[in-house]
Amino acid sequence: DTEVTQTPKHLVMGMTNKKSLKCEQHMGHRAMYWYKQKAKKPPELMFVYSYEKLSINESVPSRFSPECPNSSLLNLHLHALQPEDSALYLCASSHQGLATSYEQYFGPGTRLTVT
Amino acid sequence: SQQGEEDPQALSIQEGENATMNCSYKTSINNLQWYRQNSGRGLVHLILIRSNEREKHSGRLRVTLDTSKKSSSLLITASRAADTASYFCATAGGTGANSKLTFGKGITLSVRP
Repeated sequence: DTEVTQTPKHLVMGMTNKKSLKCEQHMGHRAMYWYKQKAKKPPELMFVYSYEKLSINESVPSRFSPECPNSSLLNLHLHALQPEDSALYLCASSHQGLATSYEQYFGPGTRLTVT
Repeated sequence: SQQGEEDPQALSIQEGENATMNCSYKTSINNLQWYRQNSGRGLVHLILIRSNEREKHSGRLRVTLDTSKKSSSLLITASRAADTASYFCATAGGTGANSKLTFGKGITLSVRP
């Protein structure tokens, strides 16, 4: 199984809502990532988990809260978002814990709209 | 901050022609990777070339890396309409737990049937 799954595919939320994005992989990968991508822009790294520990936080606002319950799951908890947070949120995974030695496998993304 | 810069930003070719995309970067790297993204979807890894490699092939793809010029090129031969997508180079830098990929701005490739 070489697939990274993300749910939901689309999410519309108000600025006072709390929601979560979910990501799952069953490839035995030990590094997992959250990226944010605005339209016609490249993906921007948000968080990296290596062996279920947060190893990189790219100065992301605290209204985004990542969680890695186990080696197969990655969540992104959202609270009090702003309209400018509307974007495609991509999850990815890669072998072992050294984030860049191997290719990354991406999920299809969650299209988030904040109203 | 973005490291890779692709050139051109947009490319339109006829089916069957070859497509060449270039990527330049600024600092030392561990490896350089190319990804493809179809509209509004996730990225698909195409090829990874390590800093001690100069050329790599995968099917219709050929990637070169010149670390002295800090540049890479991706050649897609005999293009197909299905190759229409955005292509990103991503540089892998940093060490240990701080290693990460940084994506370039991307190239939009259109292949006309």
